[in-house]
Amino acid sequence: GAVVSQHPSRVICKSGTSVKIECRSLDFQATTMFWYRQFPKKSLMLMATSNEGSKATYEQGVEKDKFLINHASLTLSTLTVTSAHPEDSSFYICSARAGTGIRAASNQPQHFGDGTRLSIL
Amino acid sequence: DAKTTQPPSMDCAEGRAANLPCNHSTISGNEYVYWYRQIHSQGPQYIIHGLKNNETNEMASLIITEDRKSSTLILPHATLRDTAVYYCIVSPTNFGNEKLTFGTGTRLTIIP
Repeated sequence: GAVVSQHPSRVICKSGTSVKIECRSLDFQATTMFWYRQFPKKSLMLMATSNEGSKATYEQGVEKDKFLINHASLTLSTLTVTSAHPEDSSFYICSARAGTGIRAASNQPQHFGDGTRLSIL
Repeated sequence: DAKTTQPPSMDCAEGRAANLPCNHSTISGNEYVYWYRQIHSQGPQYIIHGLKNNETNEMASLIITEDRKSSTLILPHATLRDTAVYYCIVSPTNFGNEKLTFGTGTRLTIIP
């Protein structure tokens, strides 16, 4: 089945550091990937939609200059948390869906990576 | 503004069938019902989805009522590894790359 890989799985760094998280679709191409954030004991909250070859679409309240998204190829999207602070500590998860173009492969659900746990000291 | 309602928690004995209900009374004609689960500290895992017909795969069965206003996820023989938070999500058409909106889900605990 479709596999989405995230790297790194865990990051611990100092306040003010910028952190890059990668999301790869391993056996399919994805024109669109999604980035979520999850705080402890809370549900997943969509942060942004990453579109290959164009600008990401951010959800209301998510700072686009703080959470930089690049989707340079059909198999890779990156999320960079710039100048991270302790309040940015969270579980970041990406998802992708098989298919290319506007009409994705019929009957294909989104698949999620295993997440990146970010801890800012 | 989650479009689904699920009980916050449920228990099920190991080896028995786990039946997880979901209400989606405002579902539109072009919206699918998706089920995912999240085991602690992992990303969500896709389980099953359907439009109006009942569906079955190697993990579970999905029963959707005729009026499509509710559905039930059935894990036929629950094991301890099925302990997780289960999310029922409705999302428009199966085409394109529509985003998924997660509610609070049902925390299912399998009891030995």
